[in-house]
Order: sequence, then C-alpha cells, then structure tokens
Amino acid sequence: AQKVTQAQTEISVVEKEDVTLDCVYETRDTTYYLFWYKQPPSGELVFLIRRNSFDEQNEISGRYSWNFQKSTSSFNFTITASQVVDSAVYFCALSGSTGANSKLTFGKGITLSVRP
Amino acid sequence: AAGVIQSPRHLIKEKRETATLKCYPIPRHDTVYWYQQGPGQDPQFLISFYEKMQSDKGSIPDRFSAQQFSDYHSELNMSSLELGDSALYFCASSRGGGEYNEQFFGPGTRLTVL
Repeated sequence: AQKVTQAQTEISVVEKEDVTLDCVYETRDTTYYLFWYKQPPSGELVFLIRRNSFDEQNEISGRYSWNFQKSTSSFNFTITASQVVDSAVYFCALSGSTGANSKLTFGKGITLSVRP
Repeated sequence: AAGVIQSPRHLIKEKRETATLKCYPIPRHDTVYWYQQGPGQDPQFLISFYEKMQSDKGSIPDRFSAQQFSDYHSELNMSSLELGDSALYFCASSRGGGEYNEQFFGPGTRLTVL
C-alpha cells in the first residue's frame, strides 16, 4: 500500500520569509511518481511538479524548489520569498508506474498562510 | 489548450435524491479518474476507467456507479444521497491508461446535499 505523510498541518509565515513543506512517502514499488499540487481557496487543484523515482535531481522553478531524497523517502518543497498569493493548501501525492496502479494517493495537505 | 471539463460546477440536492456528474477529458485522453474531496480533507480516489473499461476501484460506495462512454466522457451516478456525500468531486484525465502518470484535473463539481 502507498502512503503519504505531511506532518505539518498548518504553517503561517510573514511575506518574504522562506518556507519548507515536508513530505514523506511509503511505497513498495521500485518505480513511482511524486507530485505536488496547490489548492487555492477557489478549490481547483493546480499541478506544480511531477518527479519520477529515478530522477533525484533537485529542481528549481522560480521561487519554488524541490528536494527529493530517496534515502529518506522525502520530497520536500520550498518556497523562497513567500508572497500572499502563495496562501493555499499544498498536497503531496504519490502514484505507481503502471496503468492499473496510476491513481494518486494524497497526503492530508498543509495549509500555508502568508501574512503581509 | 483544451482542459478537462466537468459539469455541473455546482449542484445542490436533497437527501435521498440522485445526482449525475459529468466529465469530459482532454481530447485524445483515454483514461478518466474520479476523486472525492470532503471538507478539509485530501482527495480520495473513487474509480478509474481506461478505454471504457474500469481499470481500478477505490473506496467508492455501492450507491455510486460510473462508466466511460464511447466518446471517452465519463459519468458518476450517485443515488440515495446522504449528507456525507457533500464534497468536491474531481475528474482527471490522462492517456495510455495512466502509463505516463500525468493526470490533468478538472475544476471540480461541488455537491451539496441538504
């Protein structure tokens, strides 16, 4: 069975602070995919990143960066110089590699509040 | 670019009524997933279809049924609605039965059961 743990439930920061959202996963698959989604108050799920289990390179996209460490089964997400518009719920998710195992298993989500 | 379309966007029903949610995948996508997100919760997988056949099943109540049609759109039918069915229902589509592990989400249907 697959499992995603987001131990942080709520984080509050002041604008321009850096913030890291933690994600730990469990899977027996050797090939799998990890995702981060953002859910603003409007409710839609906004795709942020997909990473496969063979690619442990860290990735940076603007103010966003991701740190994938297979040794600790973690896929953490850092927002640099946070902005009020970053306020949302952030979900980490995991899927297998085959069609029949491609459903997403989500963590409980982290509510990020960025105060001006 | 075309996205996943879900209709209706909002739906209000009474207890014990029936509801039908529709999902139109991105063109040339042959796989559809349904997820249910209760208030303050994470999305939970309900069911998926690949080439009009059920490919996986999650914690979908027996009161719910779904299918994928020849044009690849999908419908989620919910009967004997309960208060606990109030949730945001997402549809996602992909191609190749999920082999590429890219799921594109629709905007969701917000169902309220009174």
